[in-house]
Amino acid sequence: AQSVTQLDSQVPVFEEAPVELRCNYSSSVSVYLFWYVQYPNQGLQLLLKYLSGSTLVKGINGFEAEFNKSQTSFHLRKPSVHISDTAEYFCAVSDKRDGGFKTIFGAGTRLFVKA
Amino acid sequence: DGGITQSPKYLFRKEGQNVTLSCEQNLNHDAMYWYRQDPGQGLRLIYYSQIVNDFQKGDIAEGYSVSREKKESFPLTVTSAQKNPTAFYLCASSNTGGLNTEAFFGQGTRLTVV
Repeated sequence: AQSVTQLDSQVPVFEEAPVELRCNYSSSVSVYLFWYVQYPNQGLQLLLKYLSGSTLVKGINGFEAEFNKSQTSFHLRKPSVHISDTAEYFCAVSDKRDGGFKTIFGAGTRLFVKA
Repeated sequence: DGGITQSPKYLFRKEGQNVTLSCEQNLNHDAMYWYRQDPGQGLRLIYYSQIVNDFQKGDIAEGYSVSREKKESFPLTVTSAQKNPTAFYLCASSNTGGLNTEAFFGQGTRLTVV
């Protein structure tokens, strides 16, 4: 069965420090992987996605993620965070089933950036 | 501008009432989804629809109902059978059948039982 595990529920970090938000998935078929960001009382916005090709994916706001098939991971990184990066981040896996695509989301990681 | 619109932004429900949350998209997407978000639990799928006049139950469909009479619209009704409806509800849409399967989300509806 398809599942997504975000290993940290909360990540506190100081401004300008690097950060990594971890995501592992399980799926029996080829998958597409996504990271979304949610600011308070808002919907989710796409940060980046992996569909195929290069395993290092660059997204908006300086974020990047690396797809590791052998470890079934898709960790999100940023070399230097800003206060404005404080938000909740969701990893998602989408695979093809029943003639369409179904997406499963992780439980989310709340990133706190401190001054 | 293309996008997905949820209304209302805030909704209050009395015990025993049914309420309907609106979701409209003008992205020409085939698939639409309803998620429920509770603190610390991430997003849980309530219902999804991959085509007009067809929909499937997600992981937590009990106490909810949907319809998909038009491609653009996927309203969610929270019935009196849903015992704990207070939550943030998110509607999303996506293409199906292609590689570009990212989901586009509305701004959400916060439902509170009073």
